[in-house]
Amino acid sequence: EVQLVQSGAEVKKPGESLKISCKTSGYSFTTYWIGWVRQLPGKGPEWMGIIDPDDSDIRYSPSFKGQVTISADKSISTAFLQWTSLKPSDTAIYYCVRERLRHFDYWGQGTQVTVSS
Amino acid sequence: QTVVTQESSFSVSPGGTVTLTCGLTSGSVSTSHYPSWYQRTPGQAPRTLIYSTNTRFSGVPDRFSGSILGNKAALTITGAQADDESDYFCLLYLGHGISVFGGGTKLTVL
Repeated sequence: EVQLVQSGAEVKKPGESLKISCKTSGYSFTTYWIGWVRQLPGKGPEWMGIIDPDDSDIRYSPSFKGQVTISADKSISTAFLQWTSLKPSDTAIYYCVRERLRHFDYWGQGTQVTVSS
Repeated sequence: QTVVTQESSFSVSPGGTVTLTCGLTSGSVSTSHYPSWYQRTPGQAPRTLIYSTNTRFSGVPDRFSGSILGNKAALTITGAQADDESDYFCLLYLGHGISVFGGGTKLTVL
């Protein structure tokens, strides 16, 4: 069974750093790209970026390039999303997703990130 | 910057048929954009409905169908049910590994 299990909710202060994770199982990690999707409160999903876990080729949405860093560690079948300096506007639910044929077939359960002073 | 467009809202009567569309601010949508559709599920991750224009995801009822209509991708719900009331989002592949979601359509069933 394919599973994407994300790390737990985070509460951070503005300016702090954060790295959230997405551990996959049930398939060959290096076969499919892994993406990240942001969902702001009451808004639709936003495509942030995507990584090929095999060679760490990464594509970022222009809206998120320079704002976050996507990475993957194939030795532990896990993808990561990180920030160096969080802002209150980063408060959202973040989903990792498996990409297949340019769509998302499996979703993580989501990680709530709250940034507040 | 190319933006993906969707109707902001739509309503349908129970048992009726509704077609939601997904377009581009510049150019036409084709199968090369690999249109896919997702349904918001409260408290959970979005549910994948349709991919590659018209392929239903596993477990999705056949009252949901996808197509290209004119210069847009389309999601048609035939025989709408009360629990179809939700937000629907399309995703288009724009090339170079990058995709973009539309802003979503709020569907009311009444």
